[in-house]
Amino acid sequence: QVQLVQSGAEVKKPGASVKVSCKASGYTFSIYDFNWVRQATGQGLEWMGWMNPISGDTGYAQKFQGRVTMTSNTPLTTAYMELSSLRSDDTAVYFCTRAERGGGIDYWGPGSLVTVSS
Amino acid sequence: QSVLTQPPSASGTPGQRVTISCSGSSSNFGSNHAHWYQQLTETAPKLLIYRDNQRPSGVPDRFSGSKSGTSASLAITGLRSEDEADYYCAVWDDSLSGWVFGGGTKLTVL
Repeated sequence: QVQLVQSGAEVKKPGASVKVSCKASGYTFSIYDFNWVRQATGQGLEWMGWMNPISGDTGYAQKFQGRVTMTSNTPLTTAYMELSSLRSDDTAVYFCTRAERGGGIDYWGPGSLVTVSS
Repeated sequence: QSVLTQPPSASGTPGQRVTISCSGSSSNFGSNHAHWYQQLTETAPKLLIYRDNQRPSGVPDRFSGSKSGTSASLAITGLRSEDEADYYCAVWDDSLSGWVFGGGTKLTVL
């Protein structure tokens, strides 16, 4: 079965960077894109960007341009999302998701809580 | 402010039918499919409806979706207590070149 296993919770200081990992299994890694979505406590879902894990092509939401980097390690079937210059309003749960090309987001990881606090 | 507009709340009694609307624009629903997600408390969202009206295996047929013009709707019939959750619509937006989500609708089963 499809599984997306994410790294654990992180606490970071303002200005620091965080890198969240997402280990995929149970499907052919190469034929789906990853999308990252975040959710602040009590708030809605916010799309951050997508990545083709084979070509390395990416597309980022304008809000995160220049601060987010999405990468992958194909042999490890793992995707990564790094967010830099963290601010307190980046405190959120970050979800790794799988998306069918030309289709929609179908599977979600459990989420990784990132807390930004001095 | 979300690109897609959903009512913040909805409610119904067990057995009732409820609908949740999602309003967008020509740059998203005009040429792309609507998807719906259910998020139970303290869990990750789960795909409920894809490509406007398709149900993944395991999703009860009490859930159905539709799309017309620049809006989409989710209908739940035979409401059950376990349907109490947050529901989000999503669609690819051609102008933004990215996914957009509705603000979410909190469904309460009275």
